Amino acid sequence: GNSVTQMEGPVTLSEEAFLTINCTYTATGYPSLFWYVQYPGEGLQLLLKATKADDKGSNKGFEATYRKETTSFHLEKGSVQVSDSAVYFCALTNAGGTSYGKLTFGQGTILTVHP
Amino acid sequence: DGGITQSPKYLFRKEGQNVTLSCEQNLNHDAMYWYRQDPGQGLRLIYYSQIVNDFQKGDIAEGYSVSREKKESFPLTVTSAQKNPTAFYLCASSMGLFQHFGDGTRLSIL
Repeated sequence: GNSVTQMEGPVTLSEEAFLTINCTYTATGYPSLFWYVQYPGEGLQLLLKATKADDKGSNKGFEATYRKETTSFHLEKGSVQVSDSAVYFCALTNAGGTSYGKLTFGQGTILTVHP
Repeated sequence: DGGITQSPKYLFRKEGQNVTLSCEQNLNHDAMYWYRQDPGQGLRLIYYSQIVNDFQKGDIAEGYSVSREKKESFPLTVTSAQKNPTAFYLCASSMGLFQHFGDGTRLSIL
């Protein structure tokens, strides 16, 4: 079956530091990959996505590249802000078949950014 | 604005009681989902529905039930058979690959 493994948190950084949150996956076929962000007390928001190998998703200064050879989708940001403090989830879905649209999530990584 | 509305935001359950969590969407999405979130864990799929009047069990369906009588609505009932119901419950909908989430309902035991 499908699985997603994220680096364990929590991650604590100072403002303007470089961020990397590692994500690796196991899946059949050609999954689509996502990063979702959850702010305190809220639901999940789609941060970025990539639907095929070597695609780079980007949004709000965050980037992630779909690496099929290493089955990875690491999240990066060059300079974090206090407002980036949240929980980040890596997820995947297989297109087609009965599992279409079903997401498999990693366990989430808590990010705290200090001024 | 289109979106997903979950209610209530906080819910308390007594022993032996069934409770129902509401999820309504006005995005005209075909598929809807219920997830459970526990501290330090990712989201786990409870039930999902791809069309009206049809739904399938997810990974942790025991102790839960759903219905899908209307495209816009996908209520989740937490039954007394669910022995550890305290969690954050998230509803989502999708048209294709991308899921949109509501703001969640936090369920606690009295």
